[in-house]
Amino acid sequence: AQSVAQPEDQVNVAEGNPLTVKCTYSVSGNPYLFWYVQYPNRGLQFLLKYITGDNLVKGSYGFEAEFNKSQTSFHLKKPSALVSDSALYFCAVRDWDSNYQLIWGAGTKLIIKP
Amino acid sequence: DSGVTQTPKHLITATGQRVTLRCSPRSGDLSVYWYQQSLDQGLQFLIQYYNGEERAKGNILERFSAQQFPDLHSELNLSSLELGDSALYFCASSTTSGTGGTDTQYFGPGTRLTVL
Repeated sequence: AQSVAQPEDQVNVAEGNPLTVKCTYSVSGNPYLFWYVQYPNRGLQFLLKYITGDNLVKGSYGFEAEFNKSQTSFHLKKPSALVSDSALYFCAVRDWDSNYQLIWGAGTKLIIKP
Repeated sequence: DSGVTQTPKHLITATGQRVTLRCSPRSGDLSVYWYQQSLDQGLQFLIQYYNGEERAKGNILERFSAQQFPDLHSELNLSSLELGDSALYFCASSTTSGTGGTDTQYFGPGTRLTVL
């Protein structure tokens, strides 16, 4: 079965430090992967996606994600965290067996402390 | 701002009632997706419409229905509402049907439904 996992419910990082939000996946076809961010009382905002090519994908707001095929991971990263990065982050993977819909992770709450 | 609009922002109603949520996709997008986000179940895909036709169905209850109109806006109808239907309902849109796999979904701000 295809799936995506975000192993951490919450990640705490000090402002200015690098941050990583983890995502692992399991799919039968090509792994098309997406990251979204949800600020309080807002809709999900698209950050970046991996389709093919360079394993390091750059996205919005200074975020990037590293695709690792051998570890089936797609971790979201940022070199220097801002308090305003505090939000809920979702990883998703394309489900080739279910009408091409997205399989969503449970979300990781990122808290950046000043 | 994603370009996807949803109305109303908030909706408070009673059990047993029926409500309609509305979504307008980004200009040029042909697909509309509906999602339910609740605290205990995360983000659940309900249904997708592409250019007026139902494209895919997820975990949508029989009490729920949707449609996409010729101008591409979509409505999600929720009937015989139960307390457990209280949630955030999101609409998203994308350019194509999604079968290529590369489509990005852009989300609206959501409608918060409270059933009392």
